[in-house]
Amino acid sequence: EVQLVESGGGLVQPGGSLRLSCEASGFRVSDKYMSWVRQAPGKGLEWISVIHLSGTTKYADSVKSRFTISRDTSKNMVFLQMKSLSAEDTAVYYCVKEGYSYGLTGFFDSWGQGTLVTVSS
Amino acid sequence: DIQMTQSPSTLSASVGDRVTITCRASQSVSSWLAWYQQKPGKAPKLLIYKASILESGVPSRFSGSGSGTEFTLTISSLQPDDFAAYYCQQYDLSSPRSFGQGTKVEIK
Repeated sequence: EVQLVESGGGLVQPGGSLRLSCEASGFRVSDKYMSWVRQAPGKGLEWISVIHLSGTTKYADSVKSRFTISRDTSKNMVFLQMKSLSAEDTAVYYCVKEGYSYGLTGFFDSWGQGTLVTVSS
Repeated sequence: DIQMTQSPSTLSASVGDRVTITCRASQSVSSWLAWYQQKPGKAPKLLIYKASILESGVPSRFSGSGSGTEFTLTISSLQPDDFAAYYCQQYDLSSPRSFGQGTKVEIK
């Protein structure tokens, strides 16, 4: 059974940094594209980053140069390092596994329970 | 980047109603379109991918159609468990992944 468990969320001051972790089970993170998706309170879903099978990373413009996605295949974990945080980054952050079908990945077939990041002084 | 627009933003319906939600892309995404259901306080759940393929375990009252720039999610007979928010998402290679703003299905 696929399971994704996020951790590392919490209260951080504006301008601060935080590192989110995602522990995967039931599959190998090295075999799947892995993304992070966030949801601000009362708002919709926003894709923010993906790490490809090759290790190539992509980011939404809203977090580019501030957030870094990475993985540790030996621990079967994915991470999101966040810096220069502002109130606009307050959200629940979901770790998601991407599905693969008909030669293309990019849809999200498994989600973690989410971890709340609150940026406030 | 491709922008996704859903309509309506809110929909009031009764149990047993046929419900249709529309999702439009600012440029063609072929059939690279997924739909998700989200209940309050929970993570989203994949319902449909590649515009019309039902994810395993999803009830057959859900269906998806469309290609290019216009897509629909249909619930053939709304059940009490279906009151939730629904999101479309495109995953065309030409653009970063992106979601629609969501449609909330409420009890009438």
